[in-house]
Amino acid sequence: DAMVIQNPRYQVTQFGKPVTLSCSQTLNHNVMYWYQQKSSQAPKLLFHYYDKDFNNEADTPDNFQSRRPNTSFCFLDIRSPGLGDAAMYLCATSRDGRGYEQYFGPGTRLTVT
Amino acid sequence: GIQVEQSPPDLILQEGANSTLRCNFSDSVNNLQWFHQNPWGQLINLFYIPSGTKQNGRLSATTVATERYSLLYISSSQTTDSGVYFCAVEAGGSTLGRLYFGRGTQLTVWP
Repeated sequence: DAMVIQNPRYQVTQFGKPVTLSCSQTLNHNVMYWYQQKSSQAPKLLFHYYDKDFNNEADTPDNFQSRRPNTSFCFLDIRSPGLGDAAMYLCATSRDGRGYEQYFGPGTRLTVT
Repeated sequence: GIQVEQSPPDLILQEGANSTLRCNFSDSVNNLQWFHQNPWGQLINLFYIPSGTKQNGRLSATTVATERYSLLYISSSQTTDSGVYFCAVEAGGSTLGRLYFGRGTQLTVWP
């Protein structure tokens, strides 16, 4: 089945130690999104790629970066994680940008110690 | 950005009961989706429904775009329906597919 896959499902990192989260998709969708969801809150968009074009949300901290080396993969890099970055990170895809359904992966739960 | 309000914030039901969840939004939309977030945190797509009515088993949804609201109906609720239900919308003027989420409805179904 076509799907959105995130690895790892659980990640523990130390304060200030860089961490990379991975997302892959078999849907061949043009757009890939990264959302952050803190406990008991709604998901919040960090950034997304439309094909190779990167679109950053205005309030996304510089500490968060992303890479999309090809259509199938997208990475979220947190350069110096702080305790406030502990959250669920959700990857989503859509066939195109405007008006298309988004499909979410299972998420990566990040703990910062 | 577009405002999305969900009600009620919390809902507790006995198994077998019916319920209606509401989502109000402040502007025209290209896209409206309902999700169920399971206990492991995954967002499960329930409906893609920018307008009209859809049904899938015990669940159905209606979006009245002109009046800027959507309703999710759950009939004969089961304990496995427990979790958080999110409504998310894409503003009509968007070219990028950005979804704005409501704060969710926490549903608890007791046996």
